[in-house]
Amino acid sequence: GNSVTQMEGPVTLSEEAFLTINCTYTATGYPSLFWYVQYPGEGLQLLLKATKADDKGSNKGFEATYRKETTSFHLEKGSVQVSDSAVYFCALDYGGATNKLIFGTGTLLAVQP
Amino acid sequence: EAGVVQSPRYKIIEKKQPVAFWCNPISGHNTLYWYLQNLGQGPELLIRYENEEAVDDSQLPKDRFSAERLKGVDSTLKIQPAELGDSAVYLCASSLDGGAADTQYFGPGTRLTVL
Repeated sequence: GNSVTQMEGPVTLSEEAFLTINCTYTATGYPSLFWYVQYPGEGLQLLLKATKADDKGSNKGFEATYRKETTSFHLEKGSVQVSDSAVYFCALDYGGATNKLIFGTGTLLAVQP
Repeated sequence: EAGVVQSPRYKIIEKKQPVAFWCNPISGHNTLYWYLQNLGQGPELLIRYENEEAVDDSQLPKDRFSAERLKGVDSTLKIQPAELGDSAVYLCASSLDGGAADTQYFGPGTRLTVL
């Protein structure tokens, strides 16, 4: 079936460190891939997305590239800030005519000053 | 522009009691979703509406859960009776037309605690 696997957290980094959060997926067809972020006390917000192989989504310094050959969509940021502390969810929309998201379990990122 | 509004933000009830959650989507969004998010997990879809029609309710436990979106705008999710295992965050989301890769916008959620 369709599923998303994320690296387990928490991930603890110092400010200005490089961030990678791994995400791999299993899907039939050609899903779209998403990263959502959930700040403390807030709802999920779309961070970035990619709709086809080799697409790169980017936003707020974060990037992720849709790799069909490795079925991955790893999230990266070159220099994290304290304000990036949140839970990050990888998700896929397994395609077809409808929009039905399947989420990973989330990865907590804690950035220390 | 106002985002997705949910109320209440928090609810504490005794088991076997009924409870209802309300959601108002972003204006103009035809598609509305209810998700369940257990602690330490990602959201899981309960039901999806296209306007007033429930087009995917395969994951909704229909023995105790019900939902409605009578005028195709705001929606209510109900649990009757609640069980201890229903303690979770209930998220509402909306999107423009529900097409593939359409962006879903989430509300802040209702955190339910069943005692």
